[in-house]
Amino acid sequence: AQTVTQSQPEMSVQEAETVTLSCTYDTSESNYYLFWYKQPPSRQMILVIRQEAYKQQNATENRFSVNFQKAAKSFSLKISDSQLGDTAMYFCAFMKRDTGTASKLTFGTGTRLQVTL
Amino acid sequence: DTGVSQDPRHKITKRGQNVTFRCDPISEHNRLYWYRQTLGQGPEFLTYFQNEAQLEKSRLLSDRFSAERPKGSFSTLEIQRTEQGDSAMYLCASSEGQVPGNTIYFGEGSWLTVV
Repeated sequence: AQTVTQSQPEMSVQEAETVTLSCTYDTSESNYYLFWYKQPPSRQMILVIRQEAYKQQNATENRFSVNFQKAAKSFSLKISDSQLGDTAMYFCAFMKRDTGTASKLTFGTGTRLQVTL
Repeated sequence: DTGVSQDPRHKITKRGQNVTFRCDPISEHNRLYWYRQTLGQGPEFLTYFQNEAQLEKSRLLSDRFSAERPKGSFSTLEIQRTEQGDSAMYLCASSEGQVPGNTIYFGEGSWLTVV
């Protein structure tokens, strides 16, 4: 079974600053995906960024980037130039890369990010 | 396409009553998922459909829970004889294709409060 750990329940960052959210995971799988999802106060979960474990290059999506350390099983999210609209709960999630099973996500407990003026 | 929609958004029910939630996935998404999320926790997988076939159920899905997707389009999640521990948000999600890692799109969830 896979586990995902987010050790920062809450974080705060000032607008325009940079913040890094931490995530570690445990798995015996060699092929998998990692995701960061954002859940704003309206509660709809939105995909922020995805990383394929077999790719060494860290994924980036505009102001969002990850630091993927496969050996350390670490997958942190960096948000640059933080905006008020980034205020949300952020979940790290794991998915096995296996066509024979459901593409189900295993989530961490989340980090609540507050962006302040 | 307006995304994954869920109904009702909020439901308050008395212990012992039955409740049913409906999910309409994104058109032509053949995979549909149900998750449960309690306060302060991440979503937990409940069950998964590939078209109309229910292919996997979590141990979290007790006998009081049943999910259907009769025509491979919308899905319903029914909880019979509700208990206070069932209070949670029930999230529906969908994705397309057979390729693992495809983006999973979530609905806004259905909040259940059992009193």
